[in-house]
Amino acid sequence: ETGVTQTPRHLVMGMTNKKSLKCEQHLGHNAMYWYKQSAKKPLELMFVYNFKEQTENNSVPSRFSPECPNSSHLFLHLHTLQPEDSALYLCASSQVGQRGGRETQYFGPGTRLLVL
Amino acid sequence: AQKITQTQPGMFVQEKEAVTLDCTYDTSDPSYGLFWYKQPSSGEMIFLIYQGSYDQQNATEGRYSLNFQKARKSANLVISASQLGDSAMYFCAMREAVTGNQFYFGTGTSLTVIP
Repeated sequence: ETGVTQTPRHLVMGMTNKKSLKCEQHLGHNAMYWYKQSAKKPLELMFVYNFKEQTENNSVPSRFSPECPNSSHLFLHLHTLQPEDSALYLCASSQVGQRGGRETQYFGPGTRLLVL
Repeated sequence: AQKITQTQPGMFVQEKEAVTLDCTYDTSDPSYGLFWYKQPSSGEMIFLIYQGSYDQQNATEGRYSLNFQKARKSANLVISASQLGDSAMYFCAMREAVTGNQFYFGTGTSLTVIP
């Protein structure tokens, strides 16, 4: 299997539920990302893991909790979400090396989340 | 201030014609990279083309080319010979050397190819 995979592809959850999103990359990259994409807004970077260490946390509410057990897997644990958290959640990976280098991000297909 | 600005929320192009999608950026870092991604309705972001700030020539990848005007801080995507499958959202993104692995994305342009 190649590229970046995400499961589930679609998720409907109530505000009191706990669920997890999973991302796996098969590209040998050393950095992984979670993004939130809402309608008519730029992609919002949520979390960055570089060599399994979290390096960015852009003021994301604590109801989102990331976990990166190794450089190939990334999870986003969700609990007590709000309806405004409904969005497409995209995972990406990249190989971080030379600064300003050509290393692009490769994205998974995303999880469409609906919070009721 | 917005790092990446895409001023065209929606664009239409006739099949087989060329189309230009605009992107301007804002940075004081002399070393940066510019990227274009395509997002079909399925949701996946597909990397299209890359331009480095020190590259002397405009990047090209098949039917995609990047019109890089450094002084104007613009990096427009040109799609030649449009196909129906090109209908999608297109995002411009930038990565600065100083901020490492953080990417900044624009709000996107929705392209519709008309048969």
